[in-house]
Amino acid sequence: DIQMTQSPSSLSASVGDRVTITCRASQGIRNDLGWYQQKPGQAPKRLIYAASRLQSGVPSRFSGSGSGTEFSLTISSLQPEDFATYYCLQHNNYPITFGQGTRLEIK
Amino acid sequence: QVQLVQSGAEVKKPGASVKVSCKASGYTFSGYYMHWARQAPGQGLEWLGRMNPTSGDTNYAQKFQGRVTMTRDTSISTAYLELSSLRSDDTAVYYCASGPGGGVFDYWGQGTLVTVSS
Repeated sequence: DIQMTQSPSSLSASVGDRVTITCRASQGIRNDLGWYQQKPGQAPKRLIYAASRLQSGVPSRFSGSGSGTEFSLTISSLQPEDFATYYCLQHNNYPITFGQGTRLEIK
Repeated sequence: QVQLVQSGAEVKKPGASVKVSCKASGYTFSGYYMHWARQAPGQGLEWLGRMNPTSGDTNYAQKFQGRVTMTRDTSISTAYLELSSLRSDDTAVYYCASGPGGGVFDYWGQGTLVTVSS
């Protein structure tokens, strides 16, 4: 199975900050990676697919980059509604695997 | 708009089975794989498997082989997840996900809480 190592596991930041979350795959997955946001009591919501393509309706302050084994999600200017948990997901190889999550908290 | 609407919460005893439904609307149900994942309380996400709604072909995570069954009724655009021989560590929110947005897990159901308790 492909292991997805996400870092950091938690992060404190302020409104307006720029933050970056990374995901490392244990083997190359091309660009078969998505990023998801989950708020308490809600289903995850996809933000990015194919590593860098913005899901329709998602604000442009979210961006994704990377290919192969190293990926990142950047939020350019944090808004109050962005405080949530973020997950990466790889679907290059089955079983599909998720990163362990990054909890983004208000400083 | 794309919607996936899941059945309600369930409470089951250890050893029992549970069947969760996921009704799709707003897109061509048979055109896209249906995936299932779960999330134990306070934990991360775990993939259970996927089903091709056209053929009924399935791929299950090895961990759940022999206990999980994914089926569908294309006439009502509904997919089903059945998990048998339930244990307490199967307590989780179960999600379906599918849709035409590219990649996988583009649209999610609202989740179904399955509680396994004696």
